[in-house]
Amino acid sequence: EAGVAQSPRYKIIEKRQSVAFWCNPISGHATLYWYQQILGQGPKLLIQFQNNGVVDDSQLPKDRFSAERLKGVDSTLKIQPAKLEDSAVYLCASSVSTDTQYFGPGTRLTVL
Amino acid sequence: GNSVTQMEGPVTLSEEAFLTINCTYTATGYPSLFWYVQYPGEGLQLLLKATKADDKGSNKGFEATYRKETTSFHLEKGSVQVSDSAVYFCALEGGGADGLTFGKGTHLIIQP
Repeated sequence: EAGVAQSPRYKIIEKRQSVAFWCNPISGHATLYWYQQILGQGPKLLIQFQNNGVVDDSQLPKDRFSAERLKGVDSTLKIQPAKLEDSAVYLCASSVSTDTQYFGPGTRLTVL
Repeated sequence: GNSVTQMEGPVTLSEEAFLTINCTYTATGYPSLFWYVQYPGEGLQLLLKATKADDKGSNKGFEATYRKETTSFHLEKGSVQVSDSAVYFCALEGGGADGLTFGKGTHLIIQP
């Protein structure tokens, strides 16, 4: 069974630029999550989708971050404009329902 | 809100030593508890979980028992190996939210 796929694996941008990350969950997993992991900290949930609907986006900085999952399968997370403090690893995870979450390899973002 | 506190690292042990990584939590209701592991250069992997009080999760020689009375989920292993060197995250899910709340992680270093 293929795991959660994410791209790109690494991204370097300058502050105020825009960036987008892509995630393809495990086939059949209805729930998709985006987490932000700042160096030295545990991952923090940004947004949770159930199929193509948002379940929880209470910790998503909506002035600059947006996410979509239009067809209930893959998802895109966008940052516009980026700030220095957005430097982190962005993790995507998926689960069948509210059971075990499976994580992708992450995208490491560096904002200069 | 939910929170997880785990012991600070790095924790350095010799091969075959006994391991304990402490984890305590704060949550409403009855959360599920997890230990995730991140090996160097790899993504987060579920190590073990427990979904109700007094449950014991176990995998690869690691164990953790869900202690409701002390709100703890300490990770233990009787004899560690060099290959156990990784970052370990304690996490919880529940209290009305389905996303995971993580601790800051404990970096474990096993010396031969």
